[in-house]
Amino acid sequence: EPEVTQTPSHQVTQMGQEVILRCVPISNHLYFYWYRQILGQKVEFLVSFYNNEISEKSEIFDDQFSVERPDGSNFTLKIRSTKLEDSAMYFCASSEADGNQPQHFGDGTRLSIL
Amino acid sequence: AQKITQTQPGMFVQEKEAVTLDCTYDTSDPSYGLFWYKQPSSGEMIFLIYQGSYDQQNATEGRYSLNFQKARKSANLVISASQLGDSAMYFCAMREAPQYGQNFVFGPGTRLSVLP
Repeated sequence: EPEVTQTPSHQVTQMGQEVILRCVPISNHLYFYWYRQILGQKVEFLVSFYNNEISEKSEIFDDQFSVERPDGSNFTLKIRSTKLEDSAMYFCASSEADGNQPQHFGDGTRLSIL
Repeated sequence: AQKITQTQPGMFVQEKEAVTLDCTYDTSDPSYGLFWYKQPSSGEMIFLIYQGSYDQQNATEGRYSLNFQKARKSANLVISASQLGDSAMYFCAMREAPQYGQNFVFGPGTRLSVLP
């Protein structure tokens, strides 16, 4: 069964550094998403992406964050000037269509900011 | 107001018994979707089941079924014949159109522990 893959599984970064989290969505999916889950808390929506542009973003997704689909397969989340509170599990998800379609999640990248 | 409420932070169930995990939601969108995800201790998010607001019948997927009561705005997950591997966090989530709120919002989760 096709799946969403995320790399790396764990990223440790010094505060203030930039980090790029990578995702390969399911190949026939057109909509891509990033979520984060701070340890012990609920999953929070960050951004959705379709047709090479952001379709929606939450209040969390400020100028520190950016997303990109640099080629036909990868979908990346860049976090500039990382802060301690950026430490969380970051999930990428994809779906065939927008609306009421299940989103299939990757296994997540655990980001630890030191 | 909370969009998704899961009132049971933790639940215990005996192996092979059925268990119901509660979820209530709040939306003004007439066309919304409800989802349940499972998050084992290893951390990944696993899609379990989906219910559309216009679906006439309750969704079922193997041992998972959704008790959808639209007027009460509840979408409880029923797991039949619990297995030890069902021990995990379970999240209820809702998708509504952007003009009504957030893209995809998750509840706080219920931790299910299946006892041998």
